[in-house]
Amino acid sequence: GESVGLHLPTLSVQEGDNSIINCAYSNSASDYFIWYKQESGKGPQFIIDIRSNMDKRQGQRVTVLLNKTVKHLSLQIAATQPGDSAVYFCAENYSNTGKLIFGQGTTLQVKP
Amino acid sequence: DVKVTQSSRYLVKRTGEKVFLECVQDMDHENMFWYRQDPGLGLRLIYFSYDVKMKEKGDIPEGYSVSREKKERFSLILESASTNQTSMYLCASSSRQVSYEKLFFGSGTQLSVL
Repeated sequence: GESVGLHLPTLSVQEGDNSIINCAYSNSASDYFIWYKQESGKGPQFIIDIRSNMDKRQGQRVTVLLNKTVKHLSLQIAATQPGDSAVYFCAENYSNTGKLIFGQGTTLQVKP
Repeated sequence: DVKVTQSSRYLVKRTGEKVFLECVQDMDHENMFWYRQDPGLGLRLIYFSYDVKMKEKGDIPEGYSVSREKKERFSLILESASTNQTSMYLCASSSRQVSYEKLFFGSGTQLSVL
């Protein structure tokens, strides 16, 4: 069946470094991808999204890259800050229904 | 900003009890969703609704039902709670006009079934 997976359950980075969180998806028909950030005790919050007709999209300190050839998605966070510590989820939509399929999440730990 | 409010942050119930989880959104969104979140499994879709009185099964609907009598409110019902339903439950909503895939989440309800 369809699945969305993140390569690493935990990523530890030094404050100020750039972070890269990876995600692999299995359904080549997926046309929309989204990243969420979930801080402890809170619900997931939208970070950035990208449609399949794009390869790259930039936000404030974040960039999402989409490689459809290998079905890979990544989230890049520039100059990682302690406030970036959270669980990051990627999700895909392939059925054009708004039903998102979520990955298992990567915990980002930022070391001071 | 969109606000999705879940009625309880923590709930403790006993096996066999009927449990209601309530969710209200204030942005006139058409779509509403219930997910459960478990360690190592990510978020899994239980039920969703595209309009009042409408409901669709998600990936794990067994043991759950939902109710959408008003546009702003979406309730998740555990008819007879079981210990394997101990989980974090997340409600979300989205706008059909703006971007139905961009979900706005509540803070979650941590349900413990003893």
